[in-house]
Amino acid sequence: AQKVTQAQTEISVVEKEDVTLDCVYETRDTTYYLFWYKQPPSGELVFLIRRNSFDEQNEISGRYSWNFQKSTSSFNFTITASQVVDSAVYFCALSVSGGYNKLIFGAGTRLAVHP
Amino acid sequence: DTEVTQTPKHLVMGMTNKKSLKCEQHMGHRAMYWYKQKAKKPPELMFVYSYEKLSINESVPSRFSPECPNSSLLNLHLHALQPEDSALYLCASSPLPPAGVSYEQYFGPGTRLTVT
Repeated sequence: AQKVTQAQTEISVVEKEDVTLDCVYETRDTTYYLFWYKQPPSGELVFLIRRNSFDEQNEISGRYSWNFQKSTSSFNFTITASQVVDSAVYFCALSVSGGYNKLIFGAGTRLAVHP
Repeated sequence: DTEVTQTPKHLVMGMTNKKSLKCEQHMGHRAMYWYKQKAKKPPELMFVYSYEKLSINESVPSRFSPECPNSSLLNLHLHALQPEDSALYLCASSPLPPAGVSYEQYFGPGTRLTVT
């Protein structure tokens, strides 16, 4: 069975703090893909990153960075120097090969960045 | 253009009404999806269309009826809904993945449905 766990339900930080959102996944497939999505209060899910199981390189995009570790089945997301506009619900998701591109979402982490 | 549009943005309907939700994308994607999202929960997959054909129905009640008239449009017809069907309904699209590959999905802003 496949599962994604985001243990942090809510995180509150002050602007300019760094914050890490945790994501732990479970799958027996050797080929799989991991995603992060952002859902601001407007409701639309915004795609942030896609990573396949064979690429363990960490990635940085501006203030965002991702740490993929197969040894601990984790795909954590760090926001550096957080801003109020980063306030949103963040979802980690898993998709396995042969699964019709079906996304298995974690419960989400609500991030509140205060001025 | 990575935009998926959905209409209407908000919909209030009674339990005896018939209504439709519409979704449109012009990215040339051949896979389209309907999700249901309750408050403070992740999206739940309802239907997947591949090349305008229904590929996945996640055991959705028949009061929800999807339709894919062409590669750009996806509809969700609603009939005899229950108050517990009130939720945010999200449409998404993606390129059709080859075997062993998963692609990111692009989501629309959703339709917030209230059933009274």
